[in-house]
Amino acid sequence: GQQVMQIPQYQHVQEGEDFTTYCNSSTTLSNIQWYKQRPGGHPVFLIQLVKSGEVKKQKRLTFQFGEAKKNSSLHITATQTTDVGTYFCAGNTGGFKTIFGAGTRLFVKA
Amino acid sequence: GAVVSQHPSWVICKSGTSVKIECRSLDFQATTMFWYRQFPKQSLMLMATSNEGSKATYEQGVEKDKFLINHASLTLSTLTVTSAHPEDSSFYICSAARLARESEQFFGPGTRLTVL
Repeated sequence: GQQVMQIPQYQHVQEGEDFTTYCNSSTTLSNIQWYKQRPGGHPVFLIQLVKSGEVKKQKRLTFQFGEAKKNSSLHITATQTTDVGTYFCAGNTGGFKTIFGAGTRLFVKA
Repeated sequence: GAVVSQHPSWVICKSGTSVKIECRSLDFQATTMFWYRQFPKQSLMLMATSNEGSKATYEQGVEKDKFLINHASLTLSTLTVTSAHPEDSSFYICSAARLARESEQFFGPGTRLTVL
């Protein structure tokens, strides 16, 4: 069945360092979403990518969707302690079903 | 906008009892609602997808007789865990999506279920 793999599982960074998490799908996606879940909280929608090769930015966050629409990345520039949490990618193949990656837990040391 | 509430936020019950969890979209009509289960430090596992007025679609391995889902209106879906057992203890999260925008999900705050 369809799988969405996400790496790394954990990332420890010093405040001010950059951070990147990667997602790879076993099948071509119609779109991909990114969510952030703070410790003890629920996932919060960040962004959706639809077009092949699409790049979107939200302040220090840069999201990319691969040309083949099978991979995606989230890059955070100059991390801050407020960036702490788990970042999930979620892939959709066009129906109702969305498959979540395992998530990347980001730890930021001040 | 796009606020989803979930009630209760936590519940502790005895083994064998049933627990109902409500998921409401407060400021939009949710034609599709999703129910997820999340174990500590793990990802979200989709349990079922429900569309207003129709039967829920359950994922493989999810017992439909144990996890009863009702999507009675465009703003309310309920998940009932019947005859709960300790292994059902988990964090249950619902999400809601608008018509034709099912991939953009808005999540509720989750319900922590503990079965003694």
